[in-house]
Amino acid sequence: GAVVSQHPSWVICKSGTSVKIECRSLDFQATTMFWYRQFPKQSLMLMATSNEGSKATYEQGVEKDKFLINHASLTLSTLTVTSAHPEDSSFYICSARVERVSYNEQFFGPGTRLTVL
Amino acid sequence: SQQGEEDPQALSIQEGENATMNCSYKTSINNLQWYRQNSGRGLVHLILIRSNEREKHSGRLRVTLDTSKKSSSLLITASRAADTASYFCAPFNAGNNRKLIWGLGTSLAVNP
Repeated sequence: GAVVSQHPSWVICKSGTSVKIECRSLDFQATTMFWYRQFPKQSLMLMATSNEGSKATYEQGVEKDKFLINHASLTLSTLTVTSAHPEDSSFYICSARVERVSYNEQFFGPGTRLTVL
Repeated sequence: SQQGEEDPQALSIQEGENATMNCSYKTSINNLQWYRQNSGRGLVHLILIRSNEREKHSGRLRVTLDTSKKSSSLLITASRAADTASYFCAPFNAGNNRKLIWGLGTSLAVNP
């Protein structure tokens, strides 16, 4: 399958700082990428849909000013957690969508573990 | 919502045994996919079954789909310790803005 990378793999930061997470599709182009958040023993919660060249679509309850998404190219989407607080500590996973004729296949990155002190 | 709900939430078996996980959903679908997630990692696509299919095999994996009952099952035969992971089903309907909605998954532990 296609490869999606995330950087960094983990990050520890102080409360109030901003953290940028990168998601790259390494061997294919992705017009659509998704950002998920996963708390321990919980399912993935879709935060937003990132569309290349246009604004991201945020799910209900997700603050767009706090979680800034930039999909500047067909192989890169970034998620910036602004003014991070301890409650933002979570596992952030991105995926890139490959359009098939009748179904939607997603390839997931390895995730980024964010710990806010 | 077309969220998939997996059952059981947790399953512990011995190596060599078979593991069966179930998924139920509420709306019509075009297909249903199963994914695996190892602890602290992203998801890996395992298998896709279309709405007009009833059963599909891939290696030690067997997936069934019953659209009349809106349910699917994933069977892992001759389980191995490396199969220890969480398993998620993702029902897909092309009309739902092509988003996959996730349940809590089944946490499978295969004991050596």
